[in-house]
Amino acid sequence: GAGVSQSPSNKVTEKGKDVELRCDPISGHTALYWYRQSLGQGLEFLIYFQGNSAPDKSGLPSDRFSAERTGGSVSTLTIQRTQQEDSAVYLCASSPRDSYTEAFFGQGTRLTVV
Amino acid sequence: AQSVTQLGSHVSVSEGALVLLRCNYSSSVPPYLFWYVQYPNQGLQLLLKYTTGATLVKGINGFEAEFKKSETSFHLTKPSAHMSDAAEYFCAVSAGSQGNLIFGKGTKLSVKP
Repeated sequence: GAGVSQSPSNKVTEKGKDVELRCDPISGHTALYWYRQSLGQGLEFLIYFQGNSAPDKSGLPSDRFSAERTGGSVSTLTIQRTQQEDSAVYLCASSPRDSYTEAFFGQGTRLTVV
Repeated sequence: AQSVTQLGSHVSVSEGALVLLRCNYSSSVPPYLFWYVQYPNQGLQLLLKYTTGATLVKGINGFEAEFKKSETSFHLTKPSAHMSDAAEYFCAVSAGSQGNLIFGKGTKLSVKP
């Protein structure tokens, strides 16, 4: 596609439910990143993929959070047993190379846990 | 470890006035520095970046930033604000070779007519 696509754009879920957030990066981009944007914490790095492997998961806030990437393309961020503090906008970005090149961001998924 | 500090969570200027958004960074290695803009309900769009070379970097929409190593700063400027510049601006530093970004808390720019 023309840009990074994220779905759904909005998600409301009940506390304790599991959610899956999807990211379709720009075709050919090898690096993929997940970030979380919340009022109290600003923009936080969650996880980085190079191809299908995730060499850096250091930003995942708890073991309820996991992510995978398949075929070097689509990535899914899963949050199990959601809590109200998980409410945030989850942003995905992709890059043709890591380090200093531009990261292209999707429009995000706004997650609300009620 | 890298970090970014943006001074002023909210800046208000009049249309036509100078825009100055401040960013200071901390990095143990030569930094790559970025400014992103976020319009309401949108993702982040790159305004400009500094990697190596010329320290004065020009970006889109008339913005520019100057990398000052001695001051560990990367302030964003625009000579004349336009109403369409109203948005939130984020300064970021690249955290090493894998390219993930460390962001500042953001500065919300308001432009008064």
